[in-house]
Amino acid sequence: SQQGEEDPQALSIQEGENATMNCSYKTSINNLQWYRQNSGRGLVHLILIRSNEREKHSGRLRVTLDTSKKSSSLLITASRAADTASYFCATEWDYKLSFGAGTTVTVRA
Amino acid sequence: GAVVSQHPSRVICKSGTSVKIECRSLDFQATTMFWYRQFPKQSLMLMATSNEGSKATYEQGVEKDKFLINHASLTLSTLTVTSAHPEDSSFYICSASAAGQKETQYFGPGTRLLVL
Repeated sequence: SQQGEEDPQALSIQEGENATMNCSYKTSINNLQWYRQNSGRGLVHLILIRSNEREKHSGRLRVTLDTSKKSSSLLITASRAADTASYFCATEWDYKLSFGAGTTVTVRA
Repeated sequence: GAVVSQHPSRVICKSGTSVKIECRSLDFQATTMFWYRQFPKQSLMLMATSNEGSKATYEQGVEKDKFLINHASLTLSTLTVTSAHPEDSSFYICSASAAGQKETQYFGPGTRLLVL
């Protein structure tokens, strides 16, 4: 079942700017993952942060996790036109993923 | 590595017919496969989880007789939409995880189904 809510629903930024999106969830998690989906395509795994971790980096991506607030954020630094996509958070529990509603990011050249 | 394929990528069928969608792990053995559906501009909803050689576990509200799942080998799972209706039109995505790496799912490119 879908339990994550993402904010904002849509984001439009200029190339080179940073993009931040947030995810909130309701139940227990083992980890939280972020995925990217280009229009009409499958999902690409971006990063996984475990419930005992607070921050994680991967290239231009920075993810934070606050289990006390049941929230996570994804920051994309120095955005590029190729970053235009929908981004989903997904919480994992019992090896099942529950996806958030997604944030659509548009990066303007 | 960790590539998952789906076939077909898109299919159009008439109402009342059945459609089979294949999901294959190309370079690893998938002990568990998952099937999701996604409506336009919405999130992915888990339909069912299948483990190789055993019956699929369906999420609440998903009709198991309508969405038949078979996971007969470690590299192939199939989803058959039986007696399809226009409301079954959706984007169906599978994912697969390997033994010992169950927290990581590798997603297929999806199958767009349109029922006329």
